[in-house]
Amino acid sequence: SQKIEQNSEALNIQEGKTATLTCNYTNYSPAYLQWYRQDPGRGPVFLLLIRENEKEKRKERLKVTFDTTLKQSLFHITASQPADSATYLCALVAMDTGRRALTFGSGTRLQVQP
Amino acid sequence: GAGVSQSPRYKVAKRGQDVALRCDPISGHVSLFWYQQALGQGPEFLTYFQNEAQLDKSGLPSDRFFAERPEGSVSTLKIQRTQQEDSAVYLCASSLQGRRQPQHFGDGTRLSIL
Repeated sequence: SQKIEQNSEALNIQEGKTATLTCNYTNYSPAYLQWYRQDPGRGPVFLLLIRENEKEKRKERLKVTFDTTLKQSLFHITASQPADSATYLCALVAMDTGRRALTFGSGTRLQVQP
Repeated sequence: GAGVSQSPRYKVAKRGQDVALRCDPISGHVSLFWYQQALGQGPEFLTYFQNEAQLDKSGLPSDRFFAERPEGSVSTLKIQRTQQEDSAVYLCASSLQGRRQPQHFGDGTRLSIL
């Protein structure tokens, strides 16, 4: 069956360190993958999009990698700050399903300690 | 407004009642999506509109769920004869056009069925 897996355990790191979040998928052929941030009681906010032919994408302190062989995307936040504490969701659009909407993972909660 | 607006923010209903949830997308956005989010999970796709056309409703859990976007802007998600399992946050998202664009989410309607 098709699955998108993110670590359900919260990730706790110290301020200033790099946070690395993982998104694994099985039985999908994603054309591209997106990362969103969600704060409690709020809707997801778009962060980055990476296409299947791109290995890496950067935006300020954020970096996303996409390995279609490993079927994995890594999301990095460098020089993390307490304000980065939130749940991070990966989402993909799979061309093989024909579905036009995003399919989300369950998210990983990041807690950055001051 | 600048973002996606959803109303009401909270809705409490008794089992068996009908409810209607409203979404005002970003002006000019062609695509509109509805998602359902259970506690601790990622959003799950319900239905998708391109302008006024409902192109995908494969995620609607039962025929008690109905969505419309009659003029290609505001959308309403209606749930008839609500059940306790309908309790969730209902998120609306819009994008310029299609699945390749980042989606902009509202903050959702939290529905509680007693």
